[in-house]
Amino acid sequence: DIQMTQSPSSLSASVGDRVTITCRASQTISSYLNWYQQKPGKAPKLLIFAASSLQSGVPSRFSGSGSGTDFTLTISSLQPEDFATYYCQQSYSTLYSFGQGTKLEIK
Amino acid sequence: EVQLVESGGGLVQPGGSLRLSCAASGFIVSSNYMSWVRQAPGKGLEWVSIIYSGGSTYYADSVKGRFTISRDNSKNTLYLQMNSLRVEDTAVYYCARDLTIAAAGAGGYYYYMDVWGKGTTVTVSS
Repeated sequence: DIQMTQSPSSLSASVGDRVTITCRASQTISSYLNWYQQKPGKAPKLLIFAASSLQSGVPSRFSGSGSGTDFTLTISSLQPEDFATYYCQQSYSTLYSFGQGTKLEIK
Repeated sequence: EVQLVESGGGLVQPGGSLRLSCAASGFIVSSNYMSWVRQAPGKGLEWVSIIYSGGSTYYADSVKGRFTISRDNSKNTLYLQMNSLRVEDTAVYYCARDLTIAAAGAGGYYYYMDVWGKGTTVTVSS
């Protein structure tokens, strides 16, 4: 099975900051990597698919990059509504897997 | 409007069974890949199972042999039959549509969960 590891597990930042979250796969997954945002008590929301494609309706301050085993999610200028937990997910294998999550908190 | 609505959650004793439903509107379940994802209290997301449009099914090791994913085309509904439930199966269960897009130049398809339901809560406790 493919293991996904995110870092950091938690992060404190301020409105306007540039933030980067990383995700590493235990084996190469090409660009089969998606990013989701989840707020407390809500379902996850798709942000980025295929490593770098922005889902329709998602603000352009969100961007994704990477290929192979190492990926990043960047938020260029944090807004108050961006404080949430972020998950990466691989769809390279028939058995999907998620990273453990990165909780983004207000400093 | 594309929408998914889960139901069927509740309190069940260890060893018991439960069937979750996920009613879809705005798209055809049988024409898409569909997944179940769960989230234990205070924990992260865990992928549970997927059914392909062609009918193939796959399961996480943690539920294989106990859970069965299926669909009813006439009702446009996805199901998750959960047997031999354990305390560690306690979670909010989400259904999601897996959209596919051709991987330009690379061959194959990318898969991503673009629509999610609000979830249904399953509690396994004596």
